[in-house]
Amino acid sequence: DIQMTQSPSSLSASVGDRVTITCRASQSISSYLNWYQQKPGKAPKLLIYAASSLQSGVPSRFSGSGSGTDFTLTISSLQPEDFATYYCQQSYSTPVTFGPGTKVDIK
Amino acid sequence: QVQLVQSGAEVKKPGASVKVSCKASGYTFTSYDINWVRQATGQGLEWMGWMNPNSGNTGYAQKFQGRVTMTRNTSISTAYMELSSLRSEDTAVYYCARRPVRGVSRMDVWGQGTTVTVSS
Repeated sequence: DIQMTQSPSSLSASVGDRVTITCRASQSISSYLNWYQQKPGKAPKLLIYAASSLQSGVPSRFSGSGSGTDFTLTISSLQPEDFATYYCQQSYSTPVTFGPGTKVDIK
Repeated sequence: QVQLVQSGAEVKKPGASVKVSCKASGYTFTSYDINWVRQATGQGLEWMGWMNPNSGNTGYAQKFQGRVTMTRNTSISTAYMELSSLRSEDTAVYYCARRPVRGVSRMDVWGQGTTVTVSS
């Protein structure tokens, strides 16, 4: 199975900050990497697919980059509604695996 | 609008089975696989498997092989996930999510989640 790791596991940031979250795969997954946002008590929401494609309806302050084993999710200017947990997920091979999550909270 | 609506919360005893439903609307049911993902309280996301509503083909995570069954009723655009031999560690929120049959693999619409509690 492909193992996914994320860093940091949590971070504190202020509204307006630029935030970067890193995801690493245990082997190359090309660009088969998706990012999800999850708020407490809610289902995950797709933000980015295929490493860098913005899901329809997602604000443009979210962006993704990377390929191979190293990926990043960037929020260019953090908004109050962005405080949540973010998960990466590889779709390169079965079983699908998720990273452990990065919790973004208010400084 | 496109949505997946799941059945309500369940409380089960150890050793029992649970069957969760996921009703699709707003899109062609057979054009998207249905995946199941679970999340224990305070924990991360764990993928359980997928089902193709058109063919009925399935693929399960090895961890759940022999205990999980994913089925569908295309006449009512509903997918089902049944988990047997329940133990306390199966207490979690269970989500269904659709994934395009063709094109880039991603789970773009999710159900609201079904809480399953396993307790004696």
